Amino acid sequence: GENVEQHPSTLSVQEGDSAVIKCTYSDSASNYFPWYKQELGKRPQLIIDIRSNVGEKKDQRIAVTLNKTAKHFSLHITETQPEDSAVYFCAASIGSNYQLIWGAGTKLIIKP
Amino acid sequence: DAGVTQSPTHLIKTRGQQVTLRCSPKSGHDTVSWYQQALGQGPQFIFQYYEEEERQRGNFPDRFSGHQFPNYSSELNVNALLLGDSALYLCASSLASGYTFGSGTRLTVV
Repeated sequence: GENVEQHPSTLSVQEGDSAVIKCTYSDSASNYFPWYKQELGKRPQLIIDIRSNVGEKKDQRIAVTLNKTAKHFSLHITETQPEDSAVYFCAASIGSNYQLIWGAGTKLIIKP
Repeated sequence: DAGVTQSPTHLIKTRGQQVTLRCSPKSGHDTVSWYQQALGQGPQFIFQYYEEEERQRGNFPDRFSGHQFPNYSSELNVNALLLGDSALYLCASSLASGYTFGSGTRLTVV
């Protein structure tokens, strides 16, 4: 079955710097890749997603890139702010309405 | 427009008991999925309901069962609770694309 690996498990960056979180997936049939942000004690919230027919997608300070050949996708956050501190999860699915297979999460810490 | 609502928010049960968790999907959403999130881990897919039928199922034992009602709301039932069932149970609803998550039910088994 599908497996999603996420790195790093913890990422500490200076406020204003960029943060990059990377994921790899195993099932070449996967075609939907969302990223979720989860603050302590709260629900996961979708921050950006990408489908396999697109290589890159950007929304203000957040961007996601996808390399289908290598089965890699990455989350890029620029100009980090204290409110970006949270756990970020990547996920993969064979369709946007199918089961999501999640990575283990990355705890992002923004240092003032 | 209400999002996904789950009840109860917290629950404490004794090992061996049974529990029922409830979920009302976002207005207009017809598909409900359930996930289990253990502390410090990513969510694990339990199952998904569409048109009152279980459409997909993850790697969970038969102790985990569910139901979807004609109004698209859903229940998750867990029998013979184990200590390892302690987790945050998340409900997510969707319509064709993308999920909206509820705030979850925190289940503690003692």
